[in-house]
Amino acid sequence: GQNIDQPTEMTATEGAIVQINCTYQTSGFNGLFWYQQHAGEAPTFLSYNVLDGLEEKGRFSSFLSRSKGYSYLLLKELQMKDSASYLCAPRRGSTLGRLYFGRGTQLTVWP
Amino acid sequence: DVKVTQSSRYLVKRTGEKVFLECVQDMDHENMFWYRQDPGLGLRLIYFSYDVKMKEKGDIPEGYSVSREKKERFSLILESASTNQTSMYLCASRPRASGQPQHFGDGTRLSIL
Repeated sequence: GQNIDQPTEMTATEGAIVQINCTYQTSGFNGLFWYQQHAGEAPTFLSYNVLDGLEEKGRFSSFLSRSKGYSYLLLKELQMKDSASYLCAPRRGSTLGRLYFGRGTQLTVWP
Repeated sequence: DVKVTQSSRYLVKRTGEKVFLECVQDMDHENMFWYRQDPGLGLRLIYFSYDVKMKEKGDIPEGYSVSREKKERFSLILESASTNQTSMYLCASRPRASGQPQHFGDGTRLSIL
């Protein structure tokens, strides 16, 4: 299996910045996805990193370090609607597009 | 926008029944996936398919089978439903090109009584 580790829960207040970390040990690593999942809904795609560095997309940014087996998702200017589970999903290059999902980080944003 | 449609949002079946969950995508994607999601366990891959009539076992295939007779449709079959198969089932699809994300359906919440 793949070892994917992310915190189970995090809390923050509106307007704050939060960083959700993910470490992984994925043989044949070839990119990492982040998904957002609101309670009772399907996961939705947030970001994809394949090269080292930071990818910015509005209030959300994602960082990857391949040598460290480490990624983070950075959420700025938090809003109540950002309360959701955030799933880290590394990908192996040889496995026909399958992903390996972490158990998710449940983020609660307080007013 | 990609549309992945699962046939039922909620389903209740009895132990021992044969259960079919259907998934259809409208974007001509080659790859399709079936997951189940349980509290504390996250998303676990049951089966996936990379082409018509092709299938690969995921991490928890026991008690399940799949069918992909047409490119747009991927069916999950519970051969003889058991109570431990009560779960949320999610279907996803993606194009074959590298780096493309999976797109998920809304899920089927299946209860086996």
